[in-house]
Amino acid sequence: KNQVEQSPQSLIILEGKNCTLQCNYTVSPFSNLRWYKQDTGRGPVSLTIMTFSENTKSNGRYTATLDADTKQSSLHITASQLSDSASYICVVSAGTASKLTFGTGTRLQVTL
Amino acid sequence: EADIYQTPRYLVIGTGKKITLECSQTMGHDKMYWYQQDPGMELHLIHYSYGVNSTEKGDLSSESTVSRIRTEHFPLTLESARPSHTSQYLCASSHGPATYEQYFGPGTRLTVT
Repeated sequence: KNQVEQSPQSLIILEGKNCTLQCNYTVSPFSNLRWYKQDTGRGPVSLTIMTFSENTKSNGRYTATLDADTKQSSLHITASQLSDSASYICVVSAGTASKLTFGTGTRLQVTL
Repeated sequence: EADIYQTPRYLVIGTGKKITLECSQTMGHDKMYWYQQDPGMELHLIHYSYGVNSTEKGDLSSESTVSRIRTEHFPLTLESARPSHTSQYLCASSHGPATYEQYFGPGTRLTVT
């Protein structure tokens, strides 16, 4: 069964600090891994998409890494801002289908 | 910002009522999806369509039905709403192969009393 597990479940950090969110997956055959940001009551918005051959990808202050051998990914947020408060969801696509396996997300709260 | 729209954004309705959740996209995407998400939980695919007149059930069993008569429109219907249908419903669309982006709408928060 395809699964995506994220840690921590929730995280509180001070504005300006960095943080790293983790994602482990057991999806086969692997196609790509995505990180989404979901604000409360809104739809997810894509941050990065990485295929098997990519091991890092950045989008502004967001940097995602992928280790396809260990089936792990991380999302690093640099110099956090209050607007970064949201759920961050790791999503993995299997094979050639467009169907995705979603993690439950990490709830990040950035405070003053 | 993706051009995908959902209405209504919030709906409170009594048990037994028929409801239709609307989803439209102006990007010309061939693939469209409906997801269900309970608070703090992961998204589950309930329906998808790879083109006009093509609809399939997703991984999570749902009593809802969908139709795809036009490329840009993918409505979801519940014939008789029940409290167990209370959830957030998210519509998404994409174009091309699996590596391509899925763009999500803002969601409809449904409460059945």
